[in-house]
Amino acid sequence: DGGITQSPKYLFRKEGQNVTLSCEQNLNHDAMYWYRQDPGQGLRLIYYSQIVNDFQKGDIAEGYSVSREKKESFPLTVTSAQKNPTAFYLCATQPRARRGEQFFGPGTRLTVL
Amino acid sequence: GENVEQHPSTLSVQEGDSAVIKCTYSDSASNYFPWYKQELGKGPQLIIDIRSNVGEKKDQRIAVTLNKTAKHFSLHITETQPEDSAVYFCAAKDTNAGKSTFGDGTTLTVKP
Repeated sequence: DGGITQSPKYLFRKEGQNVTLSCEQNLNHDAMYWYRQDPGQGLRLIYYSQIVNDFQKGDIAEGYSVSREKKESFPLTVTSAQKNPTAFYLCATQPRARRGEQFFGPGTRLTVL
Repeated sequence: GENVEQHPSTLSVQEGDSAVIKCTYSDSASNYFPWYKQELGKGPQLIIDIRSNVGEKKDQRIAVTLNKTAKHFSLHITETQPEDSAVYFCAAKDTNAGKSTFGDGTTLTVKP
């Protein structure tokens, strides 16, 4: 996980509440990604950003929103529109010079009660 | 879009044996194929990768092979140890497109 911080490690919220997951990096990497992981499944891409002030939807963007106001930060908001938000959320970064290689944070486990 | 299939979903081997995990991909534009190891409750860590201009790459006990014609690539772990027990993910990426597609993962158990 190196220079990627995701906080908190565990997060509990009531159904119907929006919640924002933090991802901060000090690696000076250009691109940042958010993935969702469900038990026994692979990583599914929610949103990604290759430069500041720009981001693209991934495969499962519905019910989520992001912002990229600073190179170091890429917060993910899980809105009440997300039907099944309980999951393990992973943030990743990628340096421009080594296209393809991604570095993952430690993850945040979100439980919606 | 890209589709990556990974097999087997679970693999159990005896310590010292070899383990092989296979992935197939669909998009011929994919040119980067990493393998990640994920321990329980942690984020995935890159263990080895291969680019489309190479057929094989080795790093100590770990090797990856790529067959571009057949669109499949494999992870080989030799002399397995209990600490190799984890979930392993393959991925495929077109480095010009920005996003990776992951396989569903293989849970490897190495029995002492």
